[in-house]
Amino acid sequence: QKEVEQNSGPLSVPEGAIASLNCTYSDRGSQSFFWYRQYSGKSPELIMFIYSNGDKEDGRFTAQLNKASQYVSLLIRDSQPSDSATYLCAVEKAAGNKLTFGGGTRVLVKP
Amino acid sequence: DVKVTQSSRYLVKRTGEKVFLECVQDMDHENMFWYRQDPGLGLRLIYFSYDVKMKEKGDIPEGYSVSREKKERFSLILESASTNQTSMYLCASSLTGAGGEQYFGPGTRLTVT
Repeated sequence: QKEVEQNSGPLSVPEGAIASLNCTYSDRGSQSFFWYRQYSGKSPELIMFIYSNGDKEDGRFTAQLNKASQYVSLLIRDSQPSDSATYLCAVEKAAGNKLTFGGGTRVLVKP
Repeated sequence: DVKVTQSSRYLVKRTGEKVFLECVQDMDHENMFWYRQDPGLGLRLIYFSYDVKMKEKGDIPEGYSVSREKKERFSLILESASTNQTSMYLCASSLTGAGGEQYFGPGTRLTVT
């Protein structure tokens, strides 16, 4: 079992719809959770982080964390073609420690 | 803005050569990381450093070494390049206490022939 798992996709959503991405992790001691976006041919960039159970909203993005079920999700509302990218889930086991990345979910937003 | 730069965008080396990849960050970050990214395998951590002259092995350190003589510079060394080290290499940096908020360089596409 991989430490951090994501569906590789592609997740195809129509423009204006909600894209829902899921990520599960195996280590119950994980403390912090991050979503990175990576456009084709570019390097990853941080878009969201979440530390506590529940929802965290930032613009059109909402991160959701459920530590009991060991999953973290990312919702992209009003999806735009510019949201087409690979989204990487990353987990930090202890503060200041290294990240473990999932394989990423490719999202395609169709006009 | 944080800026992380890498010495080369593309690099072609021969099997057995010693290869140096350099990374420089300009935001006084304590932590620096080297990853490789391969299709289907995602981002994998090779080495990281949380201070000058300090280094820690990541998940796949075999065949690699690192050097951090100055806070802003972190070098990845392939002692004897092999074809299975053909990959995209990404450097990242972060502040202490914010290890997950990493800033990535543009990457170096290394091909070993």
